Amino acid sequence: AQRVTQPEKLLSVFKGAPVELKCNYSYSGSPELFWYVQYSRQRLQLLLRHISRESIKGFTADLNKGETSFHLKKPFAQEEDSAMYYCALRVAAGGTSYGKLTFGQGTILTVHP
Amino acid sequence: GAVVSQHPSRVICKSGTSVKIECRSLDFQATTMFWYRQFPKQSLMLMATSNEGSKATYEQGVEKDKFLINHASLTLSTLTVTSAHPEDSSFYICSAVLAGVNNEQFFGPGTRLTVL
Repeated sequence: AQRVTQPEKLLSVFKGAPVELKCNYSYSGSPELFWYVQYSRQRLQLLLRHISRESIKGFTADLNKGETSFHLKKPFAQEEDSAMYYCALRVAAGGTSYGKLTFGQGTILTVHP
Repeated sequence: GAVVSQHPSRVICKSGTSVKIECRSLDFQATTMFWYRQFPKQSLMLMATSNEGSKATYEQGVEKDKFLINHASLTLSTLTVTSAHPEDSSFYICSAVLAGVNNEQFFGPGTRLTVL
């Protein structure tokens, strides 16, 4: 079975500092990896997916299959980045559990002024 | 964009009663919806996969007779918590899949259930 691990429950940085939220996964096949964000009192929303290799709100994440990691990075954190961040894995198309997301435990990011 | 709503946003009920939570995809049709449970400041735990026109698929450890799921149309799935107990108090979140290239899941705002 697949598993997603976010080792840091809490992460605090100052505005303008670099930030990295760690995510490791275990899955025997080729997964799809995502980062979701949940701002205070808002619903969960997709931040980025590894397939598109895009930068959203200054965040990037690279899938490292050798290290089975998908860390989320931003060079200069902003106060509005404060939120709960979830890393999630989806079994690739063709897998028996296609479509289901497995979430990590989440990391609460606080960016101080 | 794709919007998913949930109703009610919060509900308080007495122990032993049943509570129904609705999940609607407002501007798209969703063959597949998912139901999650989230504890405070913790991860989302998938409870079941709801497929329109067929029986839901429950995750291991989730009682199907306790958490009844009905996906009667392409825009509505309901979760009924039967004979609720205080330990069922939680935040329940649904998501709906927008079929397409990415099959992206869009999440509802959640329903806070408190069982007295």
